[in-house]
Amino acid sequence: KNQVEQSPQSLIILEGKNCTLQCNYTVSPFSNLRWYKQDTGRGPVSLTIMTFSENTKSNGRYTATLDADTKQSSLHITASQLSDSASYICVVSAKVMRNTPLVFGKGTRLSVIA
Amino acid sequence: GAGVSQSPSNKVTEKGKDVELRCDPISGHTALYWYRQSLGQGLEFLIYFQGNSAPDKSGLPSDRFSAERTGGSVSTLTIQRTQQEDSAVYLCASSSTHLGTSGSNETQYFGPGTRLLVL
Repeated sequence: KNQVEQSPQSLIILEGKNCTLQCNYTVSPFSNLRWYKQDTGRGPVSLTIMTFSENTKSNGRYTATLDADTKQSSLHITASQLSDSASYICVVSAKVMRNTPLVFGKGTRLSVIA
Repeated sequence: GAGVSQSPSNKVTEKGKDVELRCDPISGHTALYWYRQSLGQGLEFLIYFQGNSAPDKSGLPSDRFSAERTGGSVSTLTIQRTQQEDSAVYLCASSSTHLGTSGSNETQYFGPGTRLLVL
């Protein structure tokens, strides 16, 4: 069964600190992996998209890694800011032609405090 | 338009009533998706459209749920005889091509959602 598991479920860190969010998946056949940021009361916004051949991709202070062998990804946030407080959702895409290919994790709720 | 828009932003209804939710995708995007997000839960896929057709309706939770898309643009999600468990945020997203296309790295753009509360 295609699944995406994220950890931790929630996280509280001090402003300025770094943190790493984890994503494990069992989706097959794998196409790509996406990280989204969802602010409270808003729709998700894409941060990164990584294909099988990519090991790391950065978007400002966000760096995503992908290990396709172990089916694990992480999202590292550097020098956190209060505005980073949000839910971070890992989404894995399967190679299918007609049915929806996206499998969503339940997200990690990050709170950055002063 | 500049992004995906949804209306209404909030909807409160009584159990048993029908509701209609609207999504305006980004102009030119052929693929449109509906999701449901219950409190504290992940996104639940409902249905997607490629143009005006819906190849995948597997996520619709019951026959009370239906959706249509006309002119390859605006889509409406209709919930008939609403139940309290239908209370959730309903999110719409669009992409220029279907994300299922092999190797597609298309970005999926989400709207702000419609918050539905069934009393």
